[in-house]
Amino acid sequence: DQQVKQNSPSLSVQEGRISILNCDYTNSMFDYFLWYKKYPAEGPTFLISISSIKDKNEDGRFTVFLNKSAKHLSLHIVPSQPGDSAVYFCAGGYNNDMRFGAGTRLTVKP
Amino acid sequence: DTGVSQDPRHKITKRGQNVTFRCDPISEHNRLYWYRQTLGQGPEFLTYFQNEAQLEKSRLLSDRFSAERPKGSFSTLEIQRTEQGDSAMYLCASSMSTGGFYGYTFGSGTRLTVV
Repeated sequence: DQQVKQNSPSLSVQEGRISILNCDYTNSMFDYFLWYKKYPAEGPTFLISISSIKDKNEDGRFTVFLNKSAKHLSLHIVPSQPGDSAVYFCAGGYNNDMRFGAGTRLTVKP
Repeated sequence: DTGVSQDPRHKITKRGQNVTFRCDPISEHNRLYWYRQTLGQGPEFLTYFQNEAQLEKSRLLSDRFSAERPKGSFSTLEIQRTEQGDSAMYLCASSMSTGGFYGYTFGSGTRLTVV
């Protein structure tokens, strides 16, 4: 059962513009959500998280928004940089269980 | 501390052979997780340890799979009688006991190819 879905396998944006990555979930038990970034030949790297009781969390160029009623979250990257090009995974967690989406490949063009 | 280390990085094995992977977590992390990732998918949970105790196993972890974490330090994941469907990236991660909100630290993974 796929509890976390990332419906866009890829996204391409111009350097300096905003990147918006989307994620939907079905499990209401998730206590928190996270975004990870993954470069080729490396493991996923933690980027930012948000508690289920919050609707926004910001860290530098990265902001995560949570809409619980829609069971939807998004990651905004402003401004986008070529070094942001990677695969981004959304994940939902509760207790000791973390479920990942299939990922979205972001390409930032110079 | 150089992060989470996994060995080997790549493993090619014939169907039916046994393989063993090793993970060395960040030394002060008492939780250790194993995930499996197949092409085009996100990581799927296999099992996790709190110190040396294996506290949870996914139904994905068939009886051909076994994981250990002796003395609560490094961990091994063994797959017996490998099948072609076992071909995947096997990721190890570690964290403090505060859990996942602050993110897990993942290793670079072991890519298994069963031929």
